[in-house]
Amino acid sequence: EAGVAQSPRYKIIEKRQSVAFWCNPISGHATLYWYQQILGQGPKLLIQFQNNGVVDDSQLPKDRFSAERLKGVDSTLKIQPAKLEDSAVYLCASSLRGLADNEQFFGPGTRLTVL
Amino acid sequence: AQKVTQAQTEISVVEKEDVTLDCVYETRDTTYYLFWYKQPPSGELVFLIRRNSFDEQNEISGRYSWNFQKSTSSFNFTITASQVVDSAVYFCALNQAGTALIFGKGTTLSVSS
Repeated sequence: EAGVAQSPRYKIIEKRQSVAFWCNPISGHATLYWYQQILGQGPKLLIQFQNNGVVDDSQLPKDRFSAERLKGVDSTLKIQPAKLEDSAVYLCASSLRGLADNEQFFGPGTRLTVL
Repeated sequence: AQKVTQAQTEISVVEKEDVTLDCVYETRDTTYYLFWYKQPPSGELVFLIRRNSFDEQNEISGRYSWNFQKSTSSFNFTITASQVVDSAVYFCALNQAGTALIFGKGTTLSVSS
C-alpha cells in the first residue's frame, strides 16, 4: 500500500513570496490533515478535511494560509505572502474516517525555509 | 483544555541501557486515545501504539513497553536494551472525539554505541 506522498520535500523562498505544497493521501482515506512542525516542537494542526469539506481550520492563519481538497483526494496548502516565522516542516497525514481512534499516517513532510 | 507534556527534552544513553520516556496528559473527557509516534532523522512520523482511556493494561511489543496510569494521567514508554537505531524524536499525542492529534513537544533520544 502506497503511503502519503508530499512534494516538494524542500523549499527555500524569500519573505513575502508565495509557496504551495501538495499532498496525496492513502487511497480510500476520507480524512486529510495538514500539520505545521516548528523546530523543536510537536506538530500542530493547521486544517482537517473530511472528504472535500473542512472540519477544523481554527488554527489556520487565514490571512496568509489557504488550503483546498478538491474532489476529496489530493490537497494543496498555500502560503501567500510568507513570513520568516513560517519556516517549519509541513506534514500531511491521512486517516480512514477521522475518528479519534484512527491511526494517522504521515507523509515525509515539506521543509520550508523563509529567508 | 487538552494538553500533552513531555518534560524530558533530550535523553542520552549507551546501547543496551533501558530508557523510559515520560508523558503526562490533561483532558476533561472520559473517552480519549493516547498515541506514541517515532520521528527518525528522515522526518516521517511512524506510529508505535494507540491506547484508549478504558484500557489500562500495560502493553509489550518486543523491546518496547508502555505503562498507562489514569490515576496519574501518564502514558510512559520504555525501551529495553536500547539500540542505536532507536535514536529519534519520540512524540506522545492525545486524541479525543472531534479533535485532531494534540502532540507533546517530543523527547529526543540519542543512543550511542
